[in-house]
Amino acid sequence: QKEVEQDPGPLSVPEGAIVSLNCTYSNSAFQYFMWYRQYSRKGPELLMYTYSSGNKEDGRFTAQVDKSSKYISLFIRDSQPSDSATYLCAMSVPGGTSYGKLTFGQGTILTVHP
Amino acid sequence: DADVTQTPRNRITKTGKRIMLECSQTKGHDRMYWYRQDPGLGLRLIYYSFDVKDINKGEISDGYSVSRQAQAKFSLSLESAIPNQTALYFCATSDLYGGAETQYFGPGTRLLVL
Repeated sequence: QKEVEQDPGPLSVPEGAIVSLNCTYSNSAFQYFMWYRQYSRKGPELLMYTYSSGNKEDGRFTAQVDKSSKYISLFIRDSQPSDSATYLCAMSVPGGTSYGKLTFGQGTILTVHP
Repeated sequence: DADVTQTPRNRITKTGKRIMLECSQTKGHDRMYWYRQDPGLGLRLIYYSFDVKDINKGEISDGYSVSRQAQAKFSLSLESAIPNQTALYFCATSDLYGGAETQYFGPGTRLLVL
């Protein structure tokens, strides 16, 4: 079993829809949770990060972490064609020899059509 | 100019050939990483370096080697390329952001091994 599992998609939605992207994980030591966005033929770039449990909002994006269920989500409100990309969840543990190493999910390809 | 650059951007090689992928960064970060990305498998860590004298294997280092020539340069070598090393390769650097490592990715090198 992979440490981080991400819904494979692909996901296709109409413009304006609410999008939900999800990951589950098995390593309870993960404390930092991130979402990266990767446009076609580009490297991933950090979209949002959260520490431990809770919600974080940034414009149309909301990241949620539920450590009790080992489940994280990214919600996109009022989705736009420019949101079309691959979304990767990533996680890391604080401190120690693993500090800084990210474990990624498989990525979900999202297409928002006009 | 891009902060993290990779050369070449595309490469076709034959089985058994030795090739080198190069990464340079102008961000001044000590930490550098090499990943490969395959469809359905997400990003997997090959090697990482926390400073010039500290190089570590990632989860899939077999068949690869690295060299950290300077703080700004981190090269990945395939000693004897094989077809299942066909993938998209990313270099990344990192720093701390609110206590979490934020990784900055280069544009990627698309490698095809025939």
